[in-house]
Amino acid sequence: SQTIHQWPATLVQPVGSPLSLECTVEGTSNPNLYWYRQAAGRGLQLLFYSVGIGQISSEVPQNLSASRPQDRQFILSSKKLLLSDSGFYLCAWSGGGKGYNEQFFGPGTRLTVL
Amino acid sequence: LAKTTQPISMDSYEGQEVNITCSHNNIATNDYITWYQQFPSQGPRFIIQGYKTKVTNEVASLFIPADRKSSTLSLPRVSLSDTAVYYCLVGDRPLRNAGNMLTFGGGTRLMVKP
Repeated sequence: SQTIHQWPATLVQPVGSPLSLECTVEGTSNPNLYWYRQAAGRGLQLLFYSVGIGQISSEVPQNLSASRPQDRQFILSSKKLLLSDSGFYLCAWSGGGKGYNEQFFGPGTRLTVL
Repeated sequence: LAKTTQPISMDSYEGQEVNITCSHNNIATNDYITWYQQFPSQGPRFIIQGYKTKVTNEVASLFIPADRKSSTLSLPRVSLSDTAVYYCLVGDRPLRNAGNMLTFGGGTRLMVKP
């Protein structure tokens, strides 16, 4: 069966510090991968998605970046965090076939920028 | 992208049937309608998906009228553990070399009371 992991689970970082969140998927190959952010009490905002190694598409311009160095690894980064970067970050994967594919979400990382 | 509109919150009591309606006036021909459930500090979880008419699974039913401009998620005999946020999503038309992108709105916060 497929599983998706995210770490760390929680993170407290000062403004201006760098960020690296990691997401890995097991039990599937060539998945589509997604990064979402959820501010407190709000819906999910799609940040990045990837259909393959090295292929990243950005949905929202910001000081965040994403990379996919391996097929089942997706990394969210920032060189300098802002207060507005606080939120709940969720990684998700879906199959890469035609038609609609259900997205499966990881446990999330709660980031607090102080 | 088809935008969705759903009530911000709803209250219910244990054992009642809950119906949450979502409007999606600009739904495209190839779009699917999907509902996710999210508990606090967890990633969303797929509940049900449909294209037209009615779909039923072990958790819920989804009613979609012929014009597909709205849909209704029906939860039979809710319990306290059904307290969560429910998101109505319209699956984007699959793009060439791109994943299926989902647009999450604010969701409906369902509170089930004893």
